[in-house]
Amino acid sequence: NAGVTQTPKFQVLKTGQSMTLQCAQDMNHEYMSWYRQDPGMGLRLIHYSVGAGITDQGEVPNGYNVSRSTTEDFPLRLLSAAPSQTSVYFCASSYSRIMYQETQYFGPGTRLLVL
Amino acid sequence: DQQVKQNSPSLSVQEGRISILNCDYTNSMFDYFLWYKKYPAEGPTFLISISSIKDKNEDGRFTVFLNKSAKHLSLHIVPSQPGDSAVYFCAASGGSQGNLIFGKGTKLSVKP
Repeated sequence: NAGVTQTPKFQVLKTGQSMTLQCAQDMNHEYMSWYRQDPGMGLRLIHYSVGAGITDQGEVPNGYNVSRSTTEDFPLRLLSAAPSQTSVYFCASSYSRIMYQETQYFGPGTRLLVL
Repeated sequence: DQQVKQNSPSLSVQEGRISILNCDYTNSMFDYFLWYKKYPAEGPTFLISISSIKDKNEDGRFTVFLNKSAKHLSLHIVPSQPGDSAVYFCAASGGSQGNLIFGKGTKLSVKP
């Protein structure tokens, strides 16, 4: 099992550029989510999904899009990057949303710098 | 407005001694509290949790205490080991399916 994988590890973007952060898990987990962690801050939930075809907004969804066409993949799209989106992005997955807080696996993170 | 506060950005402790990490919350709807541990360049990992119907939960060297009236929880690590050096995040949610709200984290350094 590779667990939760995220690509790329590090990315530099210019303001206005678009990109997709990839997240994949090979554990057949139904629940997946994206968080961002800003310097000196805790993690904040961006979007989450309880299964293929189902997504919902978290605490800070503006500027991000997600889709869940397969159980394994949950990409995060930045349509027009802004400096305020400079952050470390973590993807996580869990077998179920019930008690997900204790059972979710986090990926290693993608560090994004928007100039 | 921070709903989960960790007011100590860092804590340094000698190996073998007790580490106490503190967390305060403001939202009375929170009824489920967790601690996560994070090493550099890795994602967070779940450490221990407590629901609002309890005031203490213990798992080996780790104990979490909850004081609902004060809206305060603390994580005790006894004895502290150098491998415990990491950033510890306090988090809270409403129920077993609620969204997690994280504190800013406390960086614990355990010195040999």
